[in-house]
Amino acid sequence: QKEVEQNSGPLSVPEGAIASLNCTYSDRGSQSFFWYRQYSGKSPELIMFIYSNGDKEDGRFTAQLNKASQYVSLLIRDSQPSDSATYLCAVEDFGNEKLTFGTGTRLTIIP
Amino acid sequence: NAGVTQTPKFQVLKTGQSMTLQCAQDMNHNSMYWYRQDPGMGLRLIYYSASEGTTDKGEVPNGYNVSRLNKREFSLRLESAAPSQTSVYFCASRRDSLSTGELFFGEGSRLTVL
Repeated sequence: QKEVEQNSGPLSVPEGAIASLNCTYSDRGSQSFFWYRQYSGKSPELIMFIYSNGDKEDGRFTAQLNKASQYVSLLIRDSQPSDSATYLCAVEDFGNEKLTFGTGTRLTIIP
Repeated sequence: NAGVTQTPKFQVLKTGQSMTLQCAQDMNHNSMYWYRQDPGMGLRLIYYSASEGTTDKGEVPNGYNVSRLNKREFSLRLESAAPSQTSVYFCASRRDSLSTGELFFGEGSRLTVL
């Protein structure tokens, strides 16, 4: 059974620092990787997706993928209090129709 | 543009009662999904529908049934509710299996079974 593992946290980071969120997955066939942000009481929303090994940057966010180590991470630079949320990692096999989610990491940015 | 709309947002049931959660999307998406979210368990897939007329089981289908009524609507039915089905339920949609994978979620339906 496909597994996606995340540290549940909470992870506390000072405002302005870099927040690093990690995710490992069990299925070597996984090809697409996603990071969703979920504010308390709200629905998840997509932040980034990555398919290829290496880094992908979008504003203050950088997704990193290492397929050999089955590891994907999300870096948030210049962390803001508005970044305080739960971050969900999700993986998918190409054309598999289904995303498997991790349990999420709760991030708190301390002003 | 409403996106994905779920009803009801809150519901309290007694054990053994039945109910249907409704979901509709107005983005002309082919694929629709029902997830449940429990503390410490993340999002778990209950059922999904890759296209109108098809449905498939996800990780945790027991105790649920679904209907893909048309391209817009995908309902989730609990025939005989149990306390273990107390959860937050999310409906989601996306263009198709070959898209970027972005799921658009509804606001969620909080269900309590006493």
